[in-house]
Amino acid sequence: GESVGLHLPTLSVQEGDNSIINCAYSNSASDYFIWYKQESGKGPQFIIDIRSNMDKRQGQRVTVLLNKTVKHLSLQIAATQPGDSAVYFCAEPQGGAQKLVFGQGTRLTINP
Amino acid sequence: SQTIHQWPATLVQPVGSPLSLECTVEGTSNPNLYWYRQAAGRGLQLLFYSVGIGQISSEVPQNLSASRPQDRQFILSSKKLLLSDSGFYLCACYGSYEQYFGPGTRLTVT
Repeated sequence: GESVGLHLPTLSVQEGDNSIINCAYSNSASDYFIWYKQESGKGPQFIIDIRSNMDKRQGQRVTVLLNKTVKHLSLQIAATQPGDSAVYFCAEPQGGAQKLVFGQGTRLTINP
Repeated sequence: SQTIHQWPATLVQPVGSPLSLECTVEGTSNPNLYWYRQAAGRGLQLLFYSVGIGQISSEVPQNLSASRPQDRQFILSSKKLLLSDSGFYLCACYGSYEQYFGPGTRLTVT
C-alpha cells in the first residue's frame, strides 16, 4: 500500500540553528498531512498540519511546506532549542475511520 | 480537550503469560479509538481501531486482541505473550481534527 516515508533517520543540529525534516509520500491523491513530535518515552504530540490546498503553513517556530509536484513535505523548526530534541513523524489519513499512516520518523538531536 | 489514560506505564511479562492493557478517554463521547505498537527506534504500527462499543477492526494479523466494553474504554489483550510482542503500546483517540495519544505502556516480554 502507499505510505509516507522519511528521507533521513537522524538529524543533528546546533542549538539556535534551523532544522529541516523531510518527508516523502507516494499517493498523489493525499490531501492532508500531519506532523507529530514524540519525546522519549512519551506518546506523539500534534505539531502542525497542512491540507493540499496550501503550500505553506506556519505555527510557533514551525513551518510546514508542501510540494505536491514532487510529493514532498518538510517541517522547519526555527532557532532549534534543546527541548526540540525528539523523533518527528509525518502522517497522513488512510483508509477511513480517521486512521493514520506514519512514516518511520526522524530523530532530531540538538548539539550545544 | 481529550485526555487519554493508559495503564500500566511499564510491564514486564514472561513469554506465555496473558496480557491486559487498558486505555480510558475523558472529554469526549463516542470517539474513534486506536491501538498502536511502536518497536524500539521505529514508527507506529496501527493494530486495532474501534468506531463504537463492541466494534473492533484489526489491521494486522497478530497474537493480540482488542475489546471496547464501554464508550471510552479500550482494552488490548493477549492469552499468551510472545517475545515479539515487546514494544511501546499507544492508545489514541480521534478528536476535533487530530489524533490524540496517550502516554503509552512499555511492554517487555522476557
